[in-house]
Amino acid sequence: QKEVEQDPGPLSVPEGAIVSLNCTYSNSAFQYFMWYRQYSRKGPELLMYTYSSGNKEDGRFTAQVDKSSKYISLFIRDSQPSDSATYLCAMKKGGGADGLTFGKGTHLIIQP
Amino acid sequence: GAGVSQSPSNKVTEKGKDVELRCDPISGHTALYWYRQSLGQGLEFLIYFQGNSAPDKSGLPSDRFSAERTGGSVSTLTIQRTQQEDSAVYLCASSLFSSGRSGELFFGEGSRLTVL
Repeated sequence: QKEVEQDPGPLSVPEGAIVSLNCTYSNSAFQYFMWYRQYSRKGPELLMYTYSSGNKEDGRFTAQVDKSSKYISLFIRDSQPSDSATYLCAMKKGGGADGLTFGKGTHLIIQP
Repeated sequence: GAGVSQSPSNKVTEKGKDVELRCDPISGHTALYWYRQSLGQGLEFLIYFQGNSAPDKSGLPSDRFSAERTGGSVSTLTIQRTQQEDSAVYLCASSLFSSGRSGELFFGEGSRLTVL
């Protein structure tokens, strides 16, 4: 079993829909949880980060962490074609600059 | 520049040749990472440099892979005797140690390696 599992998609939804992206993980030592967005032929960029369980909202994006279930989610409201990208979840155990463990990424397509 | 710079952006080589990939991190960032991204495989950690400490090489897939970081800045990833399975996008990232935004890595656009 991989440490982080993420459905690669593709996930195709119409413009304006609410999108739900998810990851599950197996290592309870993970404390920091992130979502990165990666456009085609670009490097990933940090979209959201959360520490421990709970919700965090930033504009149209909400990140949710449920440590008891080892499950994290990213919700996108009022989805736009410009949101079409690959979304990678990532997590780490410590608060320092050590590396992240990534999911495989979900390819999201927002249809105009 | 303001971001992480990688070169070459694309590299096509023949099986058995050596390749060097370069990364120029954001000025002042003390942590530097190399990841490999293959189709359908996500980001695979390769190596991590932090300041003057010994690098964490635990992700390097074989002894054909090596990396160095000179003067705490520019890094070079070297792949010797390339194999077709080495074909991937090699991503470099840098980070401020003890960054307030824990876990924020800044990525370059990657070097796309194709081994024929």
